[in-house]
Amino acid sequence: EAGVTQFPSHSVIEKGQTVTLRCDPISGHDNLYWYRRVMGKEIKFLLHFVKESKQDESGMPNNRFLAERTGGTYSTLKVQPAELEDSGVYFCASSNPLSAHYEQYFGPGTRLTVT
Amino acid sequence: DQQVKQNSPSLSVQEGRISILNCDYTNSMFDYFLWYKKYPAEGPTFLISISSIKDKNEDGRFTVFLNKSAKHLSLHIVPSQPGDSAVYFCAASAKGGGNKLTFGTGTQLKVEL
Repeated sequence: EAGVTQFPSHSVIEKGQTVTLRCDPISGHDNLYWYRRVMGKEIKFLLHFVKESKQDESGMPNNRFLAERTGGTYSTLKVQPAELEDSGVYFCASSNPLSAHYEQYFGPGTRLTVT
Repeated sequence: DQQVKQNSPSLSVQEGRISILNCDYTNSMFDYFLWYKKYPAEGPTFLISISSIKDKNEDGRFTVFLNKSAKHLSLHIVPSQPGDSAVYFCAASAKGGGNKLTFGTGTQLKVEL
């Protein structure tokens, strides 16, 4: 079974540019989460999809961040325009609500550097 | 306001000895706790979890203890092996919170030969 995949693994952009991160969850996992780790600090929750619906987006920093999950499969997270403080590692995780309820499977992350 | 705290950024242990990683939390609504292990350039990997109705859960070399009155949990690894060297994150989830995880800042464990 393929794990959670994320693309790209690393992105370097200039302040003011736009970047789109992609996450492909484990097949059949209805729950999809985005998290971010900034500067070696804690991993912080950004938002939660159940299928194509946003269940909780309380962690989204501001309206420069837009997440979508069209069709309830893969998800994208767009940052527009990017600011220096957006640098960090963005993790995607997925879970199957029918199994170990709280266990989330994480992807390898996308390291975003804004210069 | 950090609701999950790991006050030790690093821990060094000799191979074969016990590793004890600690975690404190402040939110009384947390009812499920997890430990994740993370290697460089990889995502966190689930290790072990415990429900708030229990005080201990064991899986092989890994045991998690929960002290609800003290809002404290710990992860014991015994015996420690060099392959256990990684960053360990404590995480918690609240009932009705959609299973979103609140993480600590992590503890870098180094198991030395």
